[in-house]
Amino acid sequence: DIQMTQSPASLSASLEEIVTITCQASQNIGNWLAWYQQKPGKSPQLLIYGTTSLADGVPSRFSGSRSGTQYSLKISRLQVEDIGIYYCQQASSTPPTFGGGTKLELK
Amino acid sequence: QVQLKESGPGLVQPSQTLSLTCTVSGFSLTSYNVHWVRQPPGKGLEWMGRMRYNGDTSYNSALKSRLSISRDTSKNQVFLKMNSLQTDDTGTYYCTRNYGGYSELGWYFDFWGPGTMVTVSS
Repeated sequence: DIQMTQSPASLSASLEEIVTITCQASQNIGNWLAWYQQKPGKSPQLLIYGTTSLADGVPSRFSGSRSGTQYSLKISRLQVEDIGIYYCQQASSTPPTFGGGTKLELK
Repeated sequence: QVQLKESGPGLVQPSQTLSLTCTVSGFSLTSYNVHWVRQPPGKGLEWMGRMRYNGDTSYNSALKSRLSISRDTSKNQVFLKMNSLQTDDTGTYYCTRNYGGYSELGWYFDFWGPGTMVTVSS
């Protein structure tokens, strides 16, 4: 199975700050990567798919990028509603696998 | 609008079989794949398996010997059965829709049910 390693495991940031979360794939997954946000007690919500495509209704302050097998999620101006846990997921091969999550908190 | 909802017993005894139902609305099971994903308390997400729009199934090899996914398209329901449950099967179980329908634009999950918590305990 492809391993997805997220960093950092937790992150504290201020409102309006730029936040970046990274995900390292254990092998080449091309652009087959998604990001999800999960708020406490809720199910995950798709933010980005295909490394860079924004899912419907997701604010434009979210963006995704790739450098080799390292993937990044960037929040350009952190808002209160962005607090939660973020997961990356590879969709390149079966089984689809998720990163361990990054817990984003307000400073 | 698109909705998925899981249902099933909240408590299962060790060694017993878990049966869950995912009832969907707002889309057709013959046009979209539906997956099952689970999450142990305070931990990450694990993909379990998939019901394809044409009735084919795929399973996580780690669970394949214990897991079965089926459906009833007339009732808009997808079923999960997993046997020989142990305490580490405790967690929230989600059903989720595959983005893109039968175009299969990648195994991305665009709509999720609220999840159902399953506790394995005697």
